[in-house]
Amino acid sequence: QSVLTQPPSVSAAPGQKVTISCSGTSSNIGNNYVSWYQQLPGTAPKLLIYDNNKRPSGIPDRFSGSKSGTSATLGITGLQTGDEADYYCGAWDTSLSGRLFGGGTKLTVL
Amino acid sequence: EVQLVESGGGLVQPGGSLRLSCAASGFTFSTYGMTWVRQAPGKGLEWVANIHQGGTEKHYVDSVKGRFTISRDDAKNSLYLQMDSLRGEDTAIYYCVRSAGDSWGQGTLVTVSS
Repeated sequence: QSVLTQPPSVSAAPGQKVTISCSGTSSNIGNNYVSWYQQLPGTAPKLLIYDNNKRPSGIPDRFSGSKSGTSATLGITGLQTGDEADYYCGAWDTSLSGRLFGGGTKLTVL
Repeated sequence: EVQLVESGGGLVQPGGSLRLSCAASGFTFSTYGMTWVRQAPGKGLEWVANIHQGGTEKHYVDSVKGRFTISRDDAKNSLYLQMDSLRGEDTAIYYCVRSAGDSWGQGTLVTVSS
């Protein structure tokens, strides 16, 4: 099954801002909610953003999500070394009746 | 506090079977859909299967259809994944996930190898 398309890697300096894109189609991102997950090395993924732009309790407002058409974007401001992780987008696909994940983006804070 | 604890992983030969379990606590299990997600070594996340609350509606990724069966026992607050006809490409950490991903277990490793 196809995946949502993310850049393999992004990098930025501490204190800077970075964005991670996630591209899909009308059967997934275009007509369903997008979630974003953070996976720190050696740990299970954690929900960062749900319903395109909502943050679970405990997630700092440095993390934000947006969606336009068939693409979504995760934004992280005030980068910290502790933000170094793999980030995944996810969305339900109506045609496949299954959930799709992006291939993941490795964030390096230089 | 929501807790999801997987068990049942291990080493199995190709063609063999395993049954994964996930013990849930800290929330009303019966009111949530549940999901299995896997991650092959060094790879990304892959949705495997999900089951709606009540257990009547289930969905599977194409690669496991006919081989894996997801089920739940609301009386025991437990989620299961019966895996048959296992292949090398099923080797992965399997995560138990609440709903669309608001809570994840720590994962259990399944290795399919002779």
